Amino acid sequence: NAGVTQTPKFQVLKTGQSMTLQCAQDMNHEYMSWYRQDPGMGLRLIHYSVGAGITDQGEVPNGYNVSRSTTEDFPLRLLSAAPSQTSVYFCASRPTGGYEAFFGQGTRLTVV
Amino acid sequence: KNEVEQSPQNLTAQEGEFITINCSYSVGISALHWLQQHPGGGIVSLFMLSSGKKKHGRLIATINIQEKHSSLHITASHPRDSAVYICAVNGGSNYKLTFGKGTLLTVNP
Repeated sequence: NAGVTQTPKFQVLKTGQSMTLQCAQDMNHEYMSWYRQDPGMGLRLIHYSVGAGITDQGEVPNGYNVSRSTTEDFPLRLLSAAPSQTSVYFCASRPTGGYEAFFGQGTRLTVV
Repeated sequence: KNEVEQSPQNLTAQEGEFITINCSYSVGISALHWLQQHPGGGIVSLFMLSSGKKKHGRLIATINIQEKHSSLHITASHPRDSAVYICAVNGGSNYKLTFGKGTLLTVNP
């Protein structure tokens, strides 16, 4: 049972490049979320999904896209990377009707 | 929107000391979480509670719903406890968490 798996762990992008951060969970959780963590701030919600085919924006969605074609996977796409997107990104999942959150190991992204 | 405040922001202790980290929130919640993040590491859930008290080894978490306050205690602290401790709450929607900014704990040998 791997839990929540994020790839890659580290990434350096040039301004304007695009990329996809992968997130997969093997716990059959309906709810999945993406957060970013910046120094001096709490984790902030980027996008979330309540099930396959259903996604919605969080607190800081600009510059990011998501899709949820399967229960297991919830990728986060950066359309045109900007230095302001330098951050640590966490994916999380939780079961239907439950509150306990399971986090991935994080992706440390630097945009130069 | 729920506001989550943690105190202190930074805490330095000597090995063996008793540690308390506090968390206050502004609006009624469904559940409160205490999370741990080691430097450069992922986020691990320590506790989830909606009332009373929970204990895992040297860690104890308490919550007072009426006062909208929770505490995380570490007894007999150890250098391996050095980490950021994050408080987070579920409001009305169980897929949205509001996070505090974290408390950086350093335990010196």
